[in-house]
Amino acid sequence: QVQLQESGPGLVKPSQTLSLMCIVSGGSISSGGYYWSWIRQHPETGLEWIGYIYYSGSTYYNPSLKSRVTISIDTSKSQFSLRMTSMTAADTAIYYCARRNLGTFDVWGQGTMVTVSS
Amino acid sequence: EIVLTQSPGTLSLSPGERATLSCRASQRVSGSNLAWYQQKRGQAPKLLMFAASTRAAGIPDRFSGSGSGTDFTLTIDRLEPEDCAVYYCQQYSNSPETFGGGTQVEI
Repeated sequence: QVQLQESGPGLVKPSQTLSLMCIVSGGSISSGGYYWSWIRQHPETGLEWIGYIYYSGSTYYNPSLKSRVTISIDTSKSQFSLRMTSMTAADTAIYYCARRNLGTFDVWGQGTMVTVSS
Repeated sequence: EIVLTQSPGTLSLSPGERATLSCRASQRVSGSNLAWYQQKRGQAPKLLMFAASTRAAGIPDRFSGSGSGTDFTLTIDRLEPEDCAVYYCQQYSNSPETFGGGTQVEI
């Protein structure tokens, strides 16, 4: 059974860059057909898809965040990462990694809270 | 992008009753590419339904989905206390994929 686990700093200063990692266990990150995704959940505005990556390295980003986001993958370590630049208070949210399967997100990590504050 | 509007915001019902949750899209969701998720307090969302009416693995048949085009419904029959959660719809017809604002079900 595939499991995902996020890790990263809980606190980021304004204007800094957020880096999060998601480790995939119980299955192969290189399995065809799955896209490895990042989604965030704002307390006020709900769930927002950030982007996803295929094991080949192909990426797809939400246009609203595309200029600030990079998702990368390391299949040898069975992990993928999120990098988001120029963080502001509006980026305070719970960040989830998830597996995208035929359009739906069928496996989720437990989520990691990221607060942007000086 | 497709905006999903869920109603009602909160639904308060008793055990054994039926819950009817609505998800309305700002434009047509092609191929019924709509999913439903359940999120309990402090947990990640959990996939309930995909393709509007297909239950995900392990989801009891008390949960059913219907709809097409711009109007979709999630029905929960014979409510149980464990069904207390926020329910979200998500469309994967157009990019960017988007989520509704959620319906809180209180029991």
